[in-house]
Amino acid sequence: NAGVTQTPKFRVLKTGQSMTLLCAQDMNHEYMYWYRQDPGMGLRLIHYSVGEGTTAKGEVPDGYNVSRLKKQNFLLGLESAAPSQTSVYFCAIRTGTDAQYFGPGTRLTVL
Amino acid sequence: DQQVKQNSPSLSVQEGRISILNCDYTNSMFDYFLWYKKYPAEGPTFLISISSIKDKNEDGRFTVFLNKSAKHLSLHIVPSQPGDSAVYFCAAISMDSNYQLIWGAGTKLIIKP
Repeated sequence: NAGVTQTPKFRVLKTGQSMTLLCAQDMNHEYMYWYRQDPGMGLRLIHYSVGEGTTAKGEVPDGYNVSRLKKQNFLLGLESAAPSQTSVYFCAIRTGTDAQYFGPGTRLTVL
Repeated sequence: DQQVKQNSPSLSVQEGRISILNCDYTNSMFDYFLWYKKYPAEGPTFLISISSIKDKNEDGRFTVFLNKSAKHLSLHIVPSQPGDSAVYFCAAISMDSNYQLIWGAGTKLIIKP
């Protein structure tokens, strides 16, 4: 997975709870992305970052916040989880070519 | 409005034969197209890409063809092997969008022994 790790691998939340997903890279890449994948759909971009201290909204940003305080880490936060946020979350980095390389994913269930 | 479409949710192919996965797009501003492969419980893995200025790119058993006039691309896998069974995603990039990938919904490829 090109040195991309995601923590945790699984999580179950109750509606209204908050949590933070961590994406970490062991290299020095500028671009990092957070996606969600739902059954029967392609990946949808939540937020992304083009460098330390920067973040930008993707296609489906509502209900999520992100931070990139350190270049190696990109955090995705859910302030008040909803059942519609039950999904598999993937972090990706762009290595300087066109392709993005993905972490193993975090499976989140919101009850 | 789906900009990248994979109209076949699944495809079944005999081992050793050719697998052809198709993808259509609507945005003529896309600069690169990529194919990813995904196994259950894993992240997508990059397979092969093609620039919009080319019409073919080959890497081992994998070849991607691009028909710009038809806004269509396809991934050919020859010969198909059991380990190729996975979900295949087509994705596209527009350079002026900070390299955001726009994804198709995926095609599940099943290789029959």
